[in-house]
Amino acid sequence: NFVLTQPHSVSESPGKTVTISCTRNGDSIASKYVQWYQQRPGSAPITVIYEHNQRPSGVPDRFSGSIDSSSNSAFLTISGLKTEDEADYYCQSYESNNHGVFGGGTKLTVL
Amino acid sequence: QVQLAESGGGLVQPGGSLRLSCVASGFTFSDYYMTWVRQVPGKGLEWVSYISDGSDYTNYLDSVRGRFITSRDNAKNSLYLQMDSLRVEDTAVYYCARAGRFPSSSLLYWGQGTLVTVSS
Repeated sequence: NFVLTQPHSVSESPGKTVTISCTRNGDSIASKYVQWYQQRPGSAPITVIYEHNQRPSGVPDRFSGSIDSSSNSAFLTISGLKTEDEADYYCQSYESNNHGVFGGGTKLTVL
Repeated sequence: QVQLAESGGGLVQPGGSLRLSCVASGFTFSDYYMTWVRQVPGKGLEWVSYISDGSDYTNYLDSVRGRFITSRDNAKNSLYLQMDSLRVEDTAVYYCARAGRFPSSSLLYWGQGTLVTVSS
């Protein structure tokens, strides 16, 4: 089994840029696609990035995803922060046996 | 547009059973893998299981294997989760999500969830 490790919380000011990391232990981060989900309080998750860096229709281009093999990590970057971006963000990928795994989640505060 | 609607949650005693349903609309249900994800209130997301488009393949979280069964009825655009021998630690909001056309695909669409409470 592998683990996806995210920072517990991050905070930044409106208009700034924030990057959330998701580090995979074990297999290469590139071995299975990484997704990012946004969850506001009391709501279901929505997908903001899929397949490492693809953005679903309707998600602003302020959201971008990337991976870095040297750190075995995936990154979610949100630029031009808005108060509405305040939410929990989860990275997600799969094991070699196709079991899904979620990171522990990062609480983004926009203050 | 894609819509997923879960139902069937509720209060059940430890050792009991419950069957969740998820009705899909807005896409060709039989073309996609479907997934169940759960979330203990106030905690993170946990992947539970998936089922292939034609029901040929299923996969389960280790802690639910042998107790939960995922099935689907493509004629009814419906996904099911039969949960037996329920434990207190199964208490969570259960979401259905549409995956892609292969096992390790992204969960692009999610339902609103249904709450399962296991308590005596």
